[in-house]
Amino acid sequence: QSALTQPASVSGSLGQSITISCTPTGDGIGNHKYVSWYQQNPGKAPKLMIYDVTKRPSGVSFRFSGSKSGNTASLTISGLQAEDEADYYCSSYGGSPTFWVFGAGTKVTVL
Amino acid sequence: VQLQESGPGLVKPSQTLSLTCTVSGASISSTTYFWNWIRQPAGKPPQWIGHVYKTGSADYNPSLKNRVTISIDTSKNVFSLQMRSVTATDTAFYYCARDGGFFDDRGSYHGWFDSWGQGTLVTVSS
Repeated sequence: QSALTQPASVSGSLGQSITISCTPTGDGIGNHKYVSWYQQNPGKAPKLMIYDVTKRPSGVSFRFSGSKSGNTASLTISGLQAEDEADYYCSSYGGSPTFWVFGAGTKVTVL
Repeated sequence: VQLQESGPGLVKPSQTLSLTCTVSGASISSTTYFWNWIRQPAGKPPQWIGHVYKTGSADYNPSLKNRVTISIDTSKNVFSLQMRSVTATDTAFYYCARDGGFFDDRGSYHGWFDSWGQGTLVTVSS
């Protein structure tokens, strides 16, 4: 069974940059090529921040960027702001039989 | 596009959970998207339940497929979730979401959830 591994928590000071990694593990890891990233605030639905590894939807701050090295995808938040404090999840489609997988989530804390 | 979940917030153990997602701002029948159900227990990550295409073809999470049916009604612009034989572990926020992805020339799927409903809390309890 495939899974996406994320760090449980990442913290940074105002104005700094942080990076969250997302690494596929288990069966069919090669199928999870195209990662998307979601921001979730308490009591709210997840919000798409990055799709197709590096693309940013309209309306999402340019401070959010996506990249990939080998099998590991990353979300970088530049110029960290207090409003960026939230949970972040990566997700990827791996085809049958698993189809969609979410990472366990990373809690971002702004110091 | 906007999505809105509706359905009972309380379901008794062993009964069937039924939710509907109403889509506005786009016609399900004229698009090429997959329409999804995703759930999230409190304090845990989202879990994909399954998706349905406008033709009615559906795929499910292997861990849930024996209990779940997702259907679509293009005339009403809605899609629905039924989960049978629920237990307390099915208590969660349930979201409907649109997958705005596509298949590339090599047949690889690029997917992402670009529109979400606000979510509805379903509690399984007697």
